[in-house]
This record gives sequence, structure tokens and C-alpha cells, in this order.
Amino acid sequence: AQKITQTQPGMFVQEKEAVTLDCTYDTSDQSYGLFWYKQPSSGEMIFLIYQGSYDEQNATEGRYSLNFQKARKSANLVISASQLGDSAMYFCAMREAGQNFVFGPGTRLSVLP
Amino acid sequence: EAGVAQSPRYKIIEKRQSVAFWCNPISGHATLYWYQQILGQGPKLLIQFQNNGVVDDSQLPKDRFSAERLKGVDSTLKIQPAKLEDSAVYLCASSLRDSIQETQYFGPGTRLLVL
Repeated sequence: AQKITQTQPGMFVQEKEAVTLDCTYDTSDQSYGLFWYKQPSSGEMIFLIYQGSYDEQNATEGRYSLNFQKARKSANLVISASQLGDSAMYFCAMREAGQNFVFGPGTRLSVLP
Repeated sequence: EAGVAQSPRYKIIEKRQSVAFWCNPISGHATLYWYQQILGQGPKLLIQFQNNGVVDDSQLPKDRFSAERLKGVDSTLKIQPAKLEDSAVYLCASSLRDSIQETQYFGPGTRLLVL
């Protein structure tokens, strides 16, 4: 079974609009961490945001926020005020205690001028 | 603070040849990871080091892949002999320690093409 599911292979958004990238995960652990990374065409994985399973508040980092719904096992990334430089692959990842990072298949975001 | 360094950035070899990749993690980071990322997929962990010891190499094809981290700093990943299906981006990452909330920081990757 897939640990991380990202159902949107590709997304388009108009510049300056907000966009939500979906991520659902599968775990029976109570303690785990959720991460989002951005991968531009240059190839480097850039850390965006982290959410711990025990965190009561949704994580925010500048224009990035994480819509964490623990009961639904979803951790969607919201990018506000999209910029052309946001065009990239976005990966959701999870880490459970005693396990290593597991990445989803990614979503390709294209920001239109 | 300098990021994770990797070299070479690109490599083209023929099948059955050998190749080696080098990684220098962020200074002070005890944990180092090697990932393989095949085109169109998310990264897959190959091996994890804690200082100079191997923590997890369960997904490393040990008949052809090897890795070492001497002195707990730099690391090399080797493929010998290479197969066509090894064509991928090899990403090195490091983190301060090994815990679920610890962010991994990635290098620029090495793009390998096996012909």
C-alpha cells in the first residue's frame, strides 16, 4: 500500500492566486512528521514546511501553509499568491518513528502569467 | 552556512562500467542519506549513515551498489557494474540528527545516464 498519495500529477494556477496541493498518508503510528519539498527543474530538493503529528496548529512558513487534518490523514500544502518561480515539482513526505522518509510521487505545479 | 555539496553534477557511462559519486554534508550533520530518484518518481532511500555507521541499507542493491562514509563526514556511493535501469538522479541529504522531526537538506544531485 502507498504510504503517501498525491492524486494530482499536474496542476495549473494563475499568477497571484492561491493553490492547494493534496497529500494523504497512511500510518498507524501516533507519532510522525510530515514534510513538503519543492524540486525545481535544477533538481535540488528544497525544504518548504514541516508538520508534526502532535502539533495542534497548522504549520505556516511565509506563503506556504499546511492544512493538516489528522483524522482524514491529509496534509495539503497551500501556496498563497503564486509566483512564476513556484513552478516546480512538489513532494509530500512522511517519517514515522524508526522508519525512514517516504516520498509521494509528486505534483507538477505550473504557474501561468 | 554551506549546503550539501555533490559531485559530479552529470555523468554518462556505458553499461557494465563503474561510477562513483561524492557527497559532502552540511557541517555538523551526523546523519547522511543517499537517495535514488528515477524520472517521474519521488526519491527512494538507498542508504542512511549515522556518523560513519550504516543505519539502514535495506534498499541498497548490494550486488552492485556500495557506499561508505569515512570519518563520519564525506560519503561516496559507487555502482559497479552499472545497468541501464540505474539511470537516475542520485541525491545526497543530511540532517543534524536522526529523528522524525528533523529536516533533511538535499544537495543538487548527480544525474546519471547509463547507455
